[in-house]
Formats: sequence, structure tokens, C-alpha cells
Amino acid sequence: ETGVTQSPTHLIKTRGQQVTLRCSSQSGHNTVSWYQQALGQGPQFIFQYYREEENGRGNFPPRFSGLQFPNYSSELNVNALELDDSALYLCASSLTGGNSPLHFGNGTRLTVT
Amino acid sequence: GQNIDQPTEMTATEGAIVQINCTYQTSGFNGLFWYQQHAGEAPTFLSYNVLDGLEEKGRFSSFLSRSKGYSYLLLKELQMKDSASYLCAVSGGYQKVTFGTGTKLQVIP
Repeated sequence: ETGVTQSPTHLIKTRGQQVTLRCSSQSGHNTVSWYQQALGQGPQFIFQYYREEENGRGNFPPRFSGLQFPNYSSELNVNALELDDSALYLCASSLTGGNSPLHFGNGTRLTVT
Repeated sequence: GQNIDQPTEMTATEGAIVQINCTYQTSGFNGLFWYQQHAGEAPTFLSYNVLDGLEEKGRFSSFLSRSKGYSYLLLKELQMKDSASYLCAVSGGYQKVTFGTGTKLQVIP
């Protein structure tokens, strides 16, 4: 069973730039969720994708967008980067349904300077 | 909206028992999760409760009271490797899982 993998592991960008983060789901999982985790905080829900459509969104502006592909892999895109976007971005895959545990990747550490 | 509260930090002794509490207020409820997160690593699933009562899984147990909006995670026979952050998370409407800020547990010899 292949777990959730994310790339890249670390990234440094400049304010105003755009970034794309990638995630491969655990085999058999059809739902992908993205979270932002600031240092010392819990993960904050960005959005979730199911069947290639956004299936729920947290309190994040439209410059945070995503995609899910037919093989259930996913991308998180962030435009017009701000300093406060510096955080660990976690991808989690699961089966659909509110009772399915999330399986997290190791995250991408984004630093915006 | 969702609001989840848990203590920021706790310290306990190796071999002892520790209880980490979590209170929540949500607009929808599909269950409550506990995750463990070691420093610099991803969260890993520990437990899930959707009905009132205690769920036991080895050294770890989790309790839920839906009427009180309350849960706790009980860790027995603490080991040094249990030093980590413990995240309480509630599954609400629209498949959204909301996490608390986490409780950083330090196990001391």
C-alpha cells in the first residue's frame, strides 16, 4: 500500500509569486483534502476534492485554488503569495464520508520572503 | 462554525496516565478524531468516536459525550516516544474536518 506523497518537501518563494504543490493519494482513496499548518498551530482546512470537484472549502481567499486528477492526485495553487502564507501545507487522502480518517503526507514547507 | 478547545501543553511522567481534554462547538457533527503529531512530522490517526462512550485501543482510549461537546484522550503506561502534539478534530458538515490547536505533551523520566 503506497502512502500519501507530497512534493516538493521545501520551497522558498518571493512575495507576489505563484506556487504549485503536488500530492499523490494513498491507493484506494478517492478524496483529497489540503490543510495549512502554521508553527505551533493545528492544521487549518483549505478545501477538499472528490471526483475532481471542490467538495468543501475553508476560510481561505480565492487565490488558493486546487485540482484533482482522474488518478486522484491533486495540486494546490497559491497566487500572489503573501508573507503570511509561509507554513507547512499538508495533503490528506481518505475515502469519502465524514467518518473516514485522514491519511497525511509529510507536507511541503513553504517559506515566502 | 466550529470551535475546538484543548490545553496548549501538558507534562507527565514516564509510566503514568495522562488525560487530554477537548471541548467543541460545531454546526454539524459526524464524529471526533484524535491524531498524534511528532515534531516535524505529519499527523497520524489515533481514534474515532461518533457515539457516546469509551473506545479502547491498546494503551490509548478515547471518550465522547455529544451532549456535553466533550472528548478526552487517555494515554496509559506513558513512554518517552509518546512526547508529541495531540490534535482533537471534529468532522462537521460538507466533509470538513476542523482541528484544534493541539496539546503538546512532554513525557519526562
